[in-house]
Amino acid sequence: AQRVTQPEKLLSVFKGAPVELKCNYSYSGSPELFWYVQYSRQRLQLLLRHISRESIKGFTADLNKGETSFHLKKPFAQEEDSAMYYCALRGSSGNTPLVFGKGTRLSVIA
Amino acid sequence: DGGITQSPKYLFRKEGQNVTLSCEQNLNHDAMYWYRQDPGQGLRLIYYSQIVNDFQKGDIAEGYSVSREKKESFPLTVTSAQKNPTAFYLCASSLYGHTIYFGEGSWLTVV
Repeated sequence: AQRVTQPEKLLSVFKGAPVELKCNYSYSGSPELFWYVQYSRQRLQLLLRHISRESIKGFTADLNKGETSFHLKKPFAQEEDSAMYYCALRGSSGNTPLVFGKGTRLSVIA
Repeated sequence: DGGITQSPKYLFRKEGQNVTLSCEQNLNHDAMYWYRQDPGQGLRLIYYSQIVNDFQKGDIAEGYSVSREKKESFPLTVTSAQKNPTAFYLCASSLYGHTIYFGEGSWLTVV
């Protein structure tokens, strides 16, 4: 069964502090992993996908197949990072749907 | 992402009524999806379609129906059989193997 677990519903950090949003997954095979972000009053948008291995808005995420994790990290949080973050998984065959975690709300305190 | 349009943005439904949420995309995407978003529940898949005239049930399809008569359109009907329809509904689309893009969503409230 495919499953994505985000253990924290809410994460509060001070501006300038490091951020780590946790994501663990369950999938038999080689999944694609994604992080989506939803800012207030905006549509859900892609932040990162693991195959791109890029840094967006200072965020990075590394796929750890041994620990089945895809944690999202940023060294110095900014107030504009406050949003809802969703980790998602997709099977490796084309147009299969995304399976989402329940999301973590990040609140960056000035 | 501006190529996925959902309407209406807000919809009120009386108990016992069916309502249809529209989703149109001009991105020439093959696949389209409907998700339901509830606080603390994340996004749950209702239905998806990988090609015209074909669709599959997701995890919470009961009380919903869809059609895919045109590539650009994937309307969702919330029927009276759906026990708890008040939610935020998100439509999405993608090309084969590529990023899934989302619409702005539709709020449905049962009154």
